[in-house]
Amino acid sequence: KQEVTQIPAALSVPEGENLVLNCSFTDSAIYNLQWFRQDPGKGLTSLLLIQSSQREQTSGRLNASLDKSSGRSTLYIAASQPGDSATYLCADSMNRDDKIIFGKGTRLHILP
Amino acid sequence: NAGVMQNPRHLVRRRGQEARLRCSPMKGHSHVYWYRQLPEEGLKFMVYLQKENIIDESGMPKERFSAEFPKEGPSILRIQQVVRGDSAAYFCASSQTVPGGPTEAFFGQGTRLTVV
Repeated sequence: KQEVTQIPAALSVPEGENLVLNCSFTDSAIYNLQWFRQDPGKGLTSLLLIQSSQREQTSGRLNASLDKSSGRSTLYIAASQPGDSATYLCADSMNRDDKIIFGKGTRLHILP
Repeated sequence: NAGVMQNPRHLVRRRGQEARLRCSPMKGHSHVYWYRQLPEEGLKFMVYLQKENIIDESGMPKERFSAEFPKEGPSILRIQQVVRGDSAAYFCASSQTVPGGPTEAFFGQGTRLTVV
């Protein structure tokens, strides 16, 4: 049974710093992995999707990497801003027609 | 493309009533997922549907909960005889399966159910 873990559960960093959020999964045979952002009381916004054959994806100040062999993914946020404060969720699926399994998320707070 | 639409956004039900949550997937998407989120917890998978077919319902409680995705119209998550413990945010996501390609899921804004 696939389990997705995100550590730490919460993180506070000063504005302007670069930071890394971690995600690990127990079964490395994933099909793809997706990072989401959730603001309080809101839905989820898809940030980046990495297919199993890819090593990383980039969008603006965000970079997500995938290391299947070690069962890890990281989300790198460059030059953090207060608007980046949110909960970041990592999720994966084991094949094309499979459910998506979520970690519990990392609550990020960027200090102005 | 209006994205994944869920309604209502907020729903209040008394114990014992029925709750119906609707989800209209993104245009062209044939797969729908339902998730439940309790305060301070992650998203728990409930059910995964294709039109007129349930693919995976391993996360659905055995009683009182049901889901459908008819050929026409939105997907419906139905909770019968609601109890206080059903109070949560229910999220719907949709995806389009592309042969050989990624399955990217897009989420709606959720329905916040409160049972009083």
